[in-house]
Amino acid sequence: KQEVTQIPAALSVPEGENLVLNCSFTDSAIYNLQWFRQDPGKGLTSLLLIQSSQREQTSGRLNASLDKSSGRSTLYIAASQPGDSATYLCAVRPVEGGQFYFGTGTSLTVIP
Amino acid sequence: ETGVTQSPTHLIKTRGQQVTLRCSSQSGHNTVSWYQQALGQGPQFIFQYYREEENGRGNFPPRFSGLQFPNYSSELNVNALELDDSALYLCASSFARGSYEQYFGPGTRLTVT
Repeated sequence: KQEVTQIPAALSVPEGENLVLNCSFTDSAIYNLQWFRQDPGKGLTSLLLIQSSQREQTSGRLNASLDKSSGRSTLYIAASQPGDSATYLCAVRPVEGGQFYFGTGTSLTVIP
Repeated sequence: ETGVTQSPTHLIKTRGQQVTLRCSSQSGHNTVSWYQQALGQGPQFIFQYYREEENGRGNFPPRFSGLQFPNYSSELNVNALELDDSALYLCASSFARGSYEQYFGPGTRLTVT
């Protein structure tokens, strides 16, 4: 069974800092990996999706990388802003089956 | 293009009761997945529907059941509610081809007392 781990569980940084969030998964037979943002009590907003054949995806200040063989993905946030404060979740979709397996998230606080 | 919508937003039920949650998928999407998210946890997969048939199920008991309608909207039904069913219930829609990227609704907060 796929297990997804996110480290750290919580992170607090001053505004303007660049930061990296980590996601690891136990089974490398994945179809894709998706990063989400979740504000307190709200639904999930899709940030980036990386197909298993890709190494990275970029959107604005966000860059996600994927190393399938080592079971790792990172989400890089450049020049962090207070509005980036949220919980960031990664999810992997296995090759077989339709569900996504989620990590427990990293709670990010950007201090003005 | 409309996004994924869910109703109701909040719900309070008593232990032993039954509840129905609703989801309208994003335009053009034919697959709906339901997730349960307990406080401080990541979402846990309940089941997925594709073309009105269940297409995968997570580790949830049979009292969790669902439906998908011809317009691809969906319902999640939970019978004999337990206190541990209190959670945020999330619906996600996707197109069963290509990237399978999931788009989530705002969720329904269920409280069981």
